[in-house]
Amino acid sequence: RKEVEQDPGPFNVPEGATVAFNCTYSNSASQSFFWYRQDCRKEPKLLMSVYSSGNEDGRFTAQLNRASQYISLLIRDSKLSDSATYLCVVNDPNAGNNRKLIWGLGTSLAVNP
Amino acid sequence: EAGVAQSPRYKIIEKRQSVAFWCNPISGHATLYWYQQILGQGPKLLIQFQNNGVVDDSQLPKDRFSAERLKGVDSTLKIQPAKLEDSAVYLCASSQRLAGNYEQYFGPGTRLTVT
Repeated sequence: RKEVEQDPGPFNVPEGATVAFNCTYSNSASQSFFWYRQDCRKEPKLLMSVYSSGNEDGRFTAQLNRASQYISLLIRDSKLSDSATYLCVVNDPNAGNNRKLIWGLGTSLAVNP
Repeated sequence: EAGVAQSPRYKIIEKRQSVAFWCNPISGHATLYWYQQILGQGPKLLIQFQNNGVVDDSQLPKDRFSAERLKGVDSTLKIQPAKLEDSAVYLCASSQRLAGNYEQYFGPGTRLTVT
């Protein structure tokens, strides 16, 4: 089993649609979870951290389910500018204080007019 | 605040040649990472520095890759000799050493093509 698994997509959705991505992680000891966004031919940038209670930032909502070891990202009212790859990222609990992250392969989203 | 700087942005070399990449992290960031990202995949950590010391190089192909961060600031990553499968984007990232802070800031990357 991969340490962090995501559906690579691509997800093709029309503008205004709601789209959800899921990600599963293998090590139940992981404590920190993130979604990064990567535009085509650009570097990854932090989109949002994922907290146990769930968190929302505008049109974006992140949820964590520790029992099932999955993380989700919901995007409401999709915009053309949301087209990107969304990377699920989890801390490596075996790295101790070294703050090592484990990266998923990414989920590709294309929002169409 | 200036971001992470990398150079060159693009490099094309033939197999068996050598290449070096440079990274200047965000000022004050003690932790520096080099990642390799192959098209369609997530970033793969090659090496992580804490100041000028290596804390993780478990996925660095040490027979051909080397990296250093001599003064705890700038870093260089070298490949010698390059193979076709080294074609990828090499990303440098840095982060602050704060409790519970995992956010990494990336440079624009160096796109390497090995022919």
